[in-house]
Amino acid sequence: DAGVTQSPTHLIKTRGQQVTLRCSPISGHKSVSWYQQVLGQGPQFIFQYYEKEERGRGNFPDRFSARQFPNYSSELNVNALLLGDSALYLCASSPLAKNIQYFGAGTRLSVL
Amino acid sequence: GIQVEQSPPDLILQEGANSTLRCNFSDSVNNLQWFHQNPWGQLINLFYIPSGTKQNGRLSATTVATERYSLLYISSSQTTDSGVYFCAVNFGNEKLTFGTGTRLTIIP
Repeated sequence: DAGVTQSPTHLIKTRGQQVTLRCSPISGHKSVSWYQQVLGQGPQFIFQYYEKEERGRGNFPDRFSARQFPNYSSELNVNALLLGDSALYLCASSPLAKNIQYFGAGTRLSVL
Repeated sequence: GIQVEQSPPDLILQEGANSTLRCNFSDSVNNLQWFHQNPWGQLINLFYIPSGTKQNGRLSATTVATERYSLLYISSSQTTDSGVYFCAVNFGNEKLTFGTGTRLTIIP
């Protein structure tokens, strides 16, 4: 079975631009979470979606938004990119909202 | 606030050595997971262990929920064990809170 898949793997943007990251959960998993990991730190929670509804939001500005589609895939959008948004963005899926989470390989975003 | 602390922050060992990594957390948890992050950034699930003891090959983990800590044991270390080890906990809400990580370097 395929694991959590994320695209693209790498992305380079300039300040002020907008970016969309994509995530496909493990088949049968209805919950998708997004995390940001800056260099040298542990991942920080951004959003969780379960059954297409937002179930949690971390301490991130409104420039960050997300949605979940009927097939349970998800997109993370970041507007008005800042240099500090450069990070590894990780997607995780789980069968239920609070169950074990499985992570994708991540999207590495560089903002120049 | 809610905290998850790991120790030691860095560990350098010779191949074949054993190691113990510790995770302390500040509140009761519903979920505790151990991950190995490889050099490419992939977080690999090692254990889901909110309580009790589990073993998988050379790795084992123990969580004592009442005392708010978990231990990850790695025996007979190999160079492929190098990387950063994270524990992550769920305190009853939707998110995983990650610890500060332990960077393990295994020298041939």
